[in-house]
Amino acid sequence: QSTLTQPRSVSASPGQSVTISCTGTIYDVGGHNYVSWHRQYPGKAPKLIIYAVNKRPSGVPDRFSGSKAGTTASLTISGLQFDDEADYYCSSYIFRSTSVIFGGGTSLTVL
Amino acid sequence: QVQLQESGPGLVKPSQTLSLTCTVSGDSISTNDYYWSWIRQHPEGGLEWIGYISHSGTTYYIPSLKSRVDISIELSKNQFSLNLTSVTAADTAIYYCARDSGYSPDYWGQGTRVTVSS
Repeated sequence: QSTLTQPRSVSASPGQSVTISCTGTIYDVGGHNYVSWHRQYPGKAPKLIIYAVNKRPSGVPDRFSGSKAGTTASLTISGLQFDDEADYYCSSYIFRSTSVIFGGGTSLTVL
Repeated sequence: QVQLQESGPGLVKPSQTLSLTCTVSGDSISTNDYYWSWIRQHPEGGLEWIGYISHSGTTYYIPSLKSRVDISIELSKNQFSLNLTSVTAADTAIYYCARDSGYSPDYWGQGTRVTVSS
């Protein structure tokens, strides 16, 4: 598998919640808890917002949460703000090849 | 605050070698807590992990690029580097260096755009 599977785009209104999925296999997402999420604004570098499935780095608000069920990880953003409009990428380790795989990215539009 | 900064040519001719350096500040790459990564983003948008290196020089690469990639580390300069040989237009991308905590890339450089063209 060359990339993890994410929806290409999602949209929601301010104040609502949105969930972005990331589907892999038993060799990556489903095999451990080394799943992360990164946010990228246009023309900027990605920034880590969730690691180890559901942990937030310092400074990331608790509106951002992560979860996993089987081979699908999810990022939920609650209380949507216009500033949340960005691209979101999941990533996972592949232990059998000691490498990292990314999702194709999801473009979030806040209407 | 950890900061990473990529540097290198923005234009490389086909069949030549792409060489980039990442300078790290705010952290020592000599510690054994992290890996130091290269990741690229093609014009169509997707992120592709290239590989990473430990402070001791142990390297791991994505299988599809393994024959053309070399990542090295210069502890005295707090830098690590990427060499990608025999480049083609398909290697045109924004190249990011990043620190990897063991769970994930956690700090990213701002990225440097590299175009492969004659």
